[in-house]
Amino acid sequence: RKEVEQDPGPFNVPEGATVAFNCTYSNSASQSFFWYRQDCRKEPKLLMSVYSSGNEDGRFTAQLNRASQYISLLIRDSKLSDSATYLCVVMNYGGSQGNLIFGKGTKLSVKP
Amino acid sequence: DTEVTQTPKHLVMGMTNKKSLKCEQHMGHRAMYWYKQKAKKPPELMFVYSYEKLSINESVPSRFSPECPNSSLLNLHLHALQPEDSALYLCASSQPLAGVAKNIQYFGAGTRLSVL
Repeated sequence: RKEVEQDPGPFNVPEGATVAFNCTYSNSASQSFFWYRQDCRKEPKLLMSVYSSGNEDGRFTAQLNRASQYISLLIRDSKLSDSATYLCVVMNYGGSQGNLIFGKGTKLSVKP
Repeated sequence: DTEVTQTPKHLVMGMTNKKSLKCEQHMGHRAMYWYKQKAKKPPELMFVYSYEKLSINESVPSRFSPECPNSSLLNLHLHALQPEDSALYLCASSQPLAGVAKNIQYFGAGTRLSVL
C-alpha cells in the first residue's frame, strides 16, 4: 500500500463548481499534513496546512480525520486559475527534521 | 515569488560532464532538501541536510554528490549522469522541528536538467 494515495483525476469542472479531493495515508504516526499546489513546470507551493479541527482559507477548506487516516480539500466557486495539480503531503518526523511524503497528485482543470 | 533561489533554471549536459546545481535561501532555515521530480510524478526525496550535516541519503547513486557549505547554501554536484537522470531537481528548506508551523518546506523553482 502506498504511503499517500490520492485520486489522480483529472477532474474537469466548469467555473463556479465545487470540487472535493480526497487522500488517505498509511502511517498512523504521521504528524503533519499539507496540501500543496503545483502548476505545470513549476515548483510545488504550499496551499494550506491541515489540522484535525479543519481549517478554511477563503474558498478552500481542508479536513483531517486521524481515525480514518483521511485528508480532504474542498474548493468552492472554482476559478480558471485554480487549474493545477494538487498534492496531498504527509510529514513523518525523523531526527531533527520532518520528511515529506507526497501523493501522486490530483489534476484539476477548470473550464470556462 | 519563492524565497529559495535555484541556479541554473535549465541545464543540458553530456554523460561525461561535471556540473553543479546551486540552491540558496536567506530565511534562516536550518534544514535543506534535494528532490528529484520526473514528469507527471510527485517529487522524490534525495538528500536532507540538517544544521549543515547530511542526515538523510535516500539511496541515491554516487554520481549525485550533495554539499552544504553553510546554512544558506546547498549544492548538488553531478558527474557521469545517465539520460534517465533527466528531471526537475527541486531544492527546499524549512526550520528544523520546533512546532508544526515551522516545519513547512518552501521550494525553489527548480533546475530542469537534460542529460544527453
